[in-house]
Amino acid sequence: KAGVTQTPRYLIKTRGQQVTLSCSPISGHRSVSWYQQTPGQGLQFLFEYFSETQRNKGNFPGRFSGRQFSNSRSEMNVSTLELGDSALYLCASSQITGSYNEQFFGPGTRLTVL
Amino acid sequence: AQSVTQLDSQVPVFEEAPVELRCNYSSSVSVYLFWYVQYPNQGLQLLLKYLSGSTLVESINGFEAEFNKSQTSFHLRKPSVHISDTAEYFCAVSDLETSGSRLTFGEGTQLTVNP
Repeated sequence: KAGVTQTPRYLIKTRGQQVTLSCSPISGHRSVSWYQQTPGQGLQFLFEYFSETQRNKGNFPGRFSGRQFSNSRSEMNVSTLELGDSALYLCASSQITGSYNEQFFGPGTRLTVL
Repeated sequence: AQSVTQLDSQVPVFEEAPVELRCNYSSSVSVYLFWYVQYPNQGLQLLLKYLSGSTLVESINGFEAEFNKSQTSFHLRKPSVHISDTAEYFCAVSDLETSGSRLTFGEGTQLTVNP
């Protein structure tokens, strides 16, 4: 079974631009979560989608948004990029939602904002 | 709200030596506990988890962790490490009252195994 895939793997943008990152979960998984990883703040939860509905949201500004499609694929969007948005963005999928479920992580998209 | 503290940011050890990576958590409600490992340029992989039952949990590659409710700790141990164990290790919690799959992570511990 293929793992979680994220595209693109690397991205360079400039301040003020917007970016869209994509995540394809493991086949049959319906929950997708997004995390931001930075050297200073560590791993921080962005949001979770389950059955096309946002279930949870972390403490990030409204510039960060996401959505999930009927095939469970998910995208996250960051508008008006800031230098501090440079990070590794990780996507994780699980079969169903619930804190006890094992989450499977993708390799991440490394975003650099210049 | 919960928080996780990993007490050591870097742990260097020699091959075949024992190792302990420390994790303490703070939460007002019951939690599930996890250890994830991240190899360079890869995502996180689940190493082991505590949901309920026996407080000692083991992974297939020789790691174990013990849930200590009174000390709010979930330390990770391995009696003899290999070079291939070099990676960053993250302790994480999720609370039983939050719906969904939200994880709160510690800052990470870089384990470096030297020959």
